[in-house]
Amino acid sequence: EVQLVDSGGGLVEPGGSLRVSCAASGFTISNAWMNWVRQAPGKGLEWVGRIKSRTDGGTIDYAAPVKGRFTISRDDSKNTLSLQMDSLTTEDTAVYYCTTSTTMAFYWYFDLWGRGTLVTVSS
Amino acid sequence: SSELTQDPAVSVALGQTVRITCQGDSLRSFYASWYQQKPGQAPILVIYDKNNRPSGIPDRFSGSRSGNTASLTITGAQAEDEADYYCNSRDSSGMLVVFGGGTKLTVL
Repeated sequence: EVQLVDSGGGLVEPGGSLRVSCAASGFTISNAWMNWVRQAPGKGLEWVGRIKSRTDGGTIDYAAPVKGRFTISRDDSKNTLSLQMDSLTTEDTAVYYCTTSTTMAFYWYFDLWGRGTLVTVSS
Repeated sequence: SSELTQDPAVSVALGQTVRITCQGDSLRSFYASWYQQKPGQAPILVIYDKNNRPSGIPDRFSGSRSGNTASLTITGAQAEDEADYYCNSRDSSGMLVVFGGGTKLTVL
């Protein structure tokens, strides 16, 4: 079965760090474009960042609010995607979803989603 | 603020047709995709590219675009369609991606 399982969320103090992970099964993540999308409590969806497939160069891009603080990485041996989050603020409190995406010239859509993992930044 | 604008809430009578819209300059160049999200669940893709449905999505869901506005139409809305709906597309630069703010659909 093709699926993504997010894990690693929890409570962290402002200024702290946390690493969330996404284990993929049924496909090889190095062959896919992988993304993180977050959703603050009661709010809408917000794209966090993406890593391209290995054949497409593995380029990583981030949304402006997290650039310089968050780092996306991939462990091909474990078929796992990670999001390292540093210098966290209360604004980063959200459910973090791992997703695959299909991106072509005229569109970019997210076709497979994990169940999400909740990150709470609070003192 | 989002580059894509959606009405916060829309309602429809059971069995009737409803259109949920998404506006933004990037939609003149790029197609929107649509997601359904029910409380406590992850979003699921319902429409992508011009007007394609993933396997398992009922054919009462359809998508269209006119100018800077993309629309998701549900023809014959069912009770189980009550959910939040989000659009997304490439951003105005074409390099990254954005989501609309979401529309809460109530089926009366």
